[in-house]
Amino acid sequence: SQQGEEDPQALSIQEGENATMNCSYKTSINNLQWYRQNSGRGLVHLILIRSNEREKHSGRLRVTLDTSKKSSSLLITASRAADTASYFCATDVGTALIFGKGTTLSVSS
Amino acid sequence: GAGVSQTPSNKVTEKGKYVELRCDPISGHTALYWYRQSLGQGPEFLIYFQGTGAADDSGLPNDRFFAVRPEGSVSTLKIQRTERGDSAVYLCASSFGNNEQFFGPGTRLTVL
Repeated sequence: SQQGEEDPQALSIQEGENATMNCSYKTSINNLQWYRQNSGRGLVHLILIRSNEREKHSGRLRVTLDTSKKSSSLLITASRAADTASYFCATDVGTALIFGKGTTLSVSS
Repeated sequence: GAGVSQTPSNKVTEKGKYVELRCDPISGHTALYWYRQSLGQGPEFLIYFQGTGAADDSGLPNDRFFAVRPEGSVSTLKIQRTERGDSAVYLCASSFGNNEQFFGPGTRLTVL
């Protein structure tokens, strides 16, 4: 079963704009991770935020975590065409990661 | 250093055949995971190894699926009597402890 749900399912923006993706989950977690996937193959790890953290930054990425609402958001600032990909949140509830269905981001130049 | 590698990158087989998918994790990573991803979905957990033993195989869909990691490094996912519904991308990941998982490029399995 899939715990995480990303919103929106698809997002289309222009280069230079910011992209915000949201993730909701159902059960308590140890940490939450965001991954990017190009062309339906290998996933690239973007950022990990632990359950006792509220915000984390990495380059143009900003992730927030609200454990009371069981939700997280991923903000990509100043988007580029190369950011076009599918983005997944994954919750760590013990051993395996549980992924959502992902948000497909399209950035046009 | 080298990342997680998976072979083959693509595998086409006929219904009823047996297939083996191989994963070579990052050197030193003690944990290894197998996931399956169908079109338009996120990856779904299959099995997790800590060292040589399968610590959690609750995601394996049925007894046609089996995985081994005999020396605590390379792992092989084995699927017997393949069915068309087994067609998917099979992803392997490794990690050191309870940290981020690093994924391989996947094996795309097509069962005709």
